[in-house]
Amino acid sequence: AQRVTQPEKLLSVFKGAPVELKCNYSYSGSPELFWYVQYSRQRLQLLLRHISRESIKGFTADLNKGETSFHLKKPFAQEEDSAMYYCALSGPMNYGGSQGNLIFGKGTKLSVKP
Amino acid sequence: GAVVSQHPSWVICKSGTSVKIECRSLDFQATTMFWYRQFPKQSLMLMATSNEGSKATYEQGVEKDKFLINHASLTLSTLTVTSAHPEDSSFYICSTKQGGDYNEQFFGPGTRLTVL
Repeated sequence: AQRVTQPEKLLSVFKGAPVELKCNYSYSGSPELFWYVQYSRQRLQLLLRHISRESIKGFTADLNKGETSFHLKKPFAQEEDSAMYYCALSGPMNYGGSQGNLIFGKGTKLSVKP
Repeated sequence: GAVVSQHPSWVICKSGTSVKIECRSLDFQATTMFWYRQFPKQSLMLMATSNEGSKATYEQGVEKDKFLINHASLTLSTLTVTSAHPEDSSFYICSTKQGGDYNEQFFGPGTRLTVL
């Protein structure tokens, strides 16, 4: 079954501390993995995707197929990083085929304290 | 990225009435739109996938006769909650997807439905 697991509901760190939000997935195939973020009173927005291999706002995430994980990391957390973070997966995009449905984890609330 | 709007942002209705929620893609033509439901402090659950000009594809457990989806144009999809009950109270969110190889979705701000 397709599933995304985020084991932590809440993660609280101090400003400047490293942060890692965990995400594990279950998928029979090669999924596409995403991290979405929702800041207070704002809509859900894409933070990063595994195929881009880029760093956004200092965050990185590496897809580990052996461990079926896609953990989100940032070496030095900032107060403005406080938000709800959702890990999501989609089946591989077949050009003109797959509809790209997203399966979301339950989310982790990150709180960065001053 | 694409801009998606939803209307209304919140609605309160009496039990038994029907409520229509609109989702608009403002700056590009969206052949596919997704409707999600989010309960308090829970994740987004995909309800259905809406394709322009064809019937929506509903996820297992979602009543298609209760949650009517219409995607009559490339910029508008509507979700109608029919004969609403208090248990239908939730946050409803739509999203659109760029065409081609991109799986990124762009989300609307959501609609808070409260059924009394």
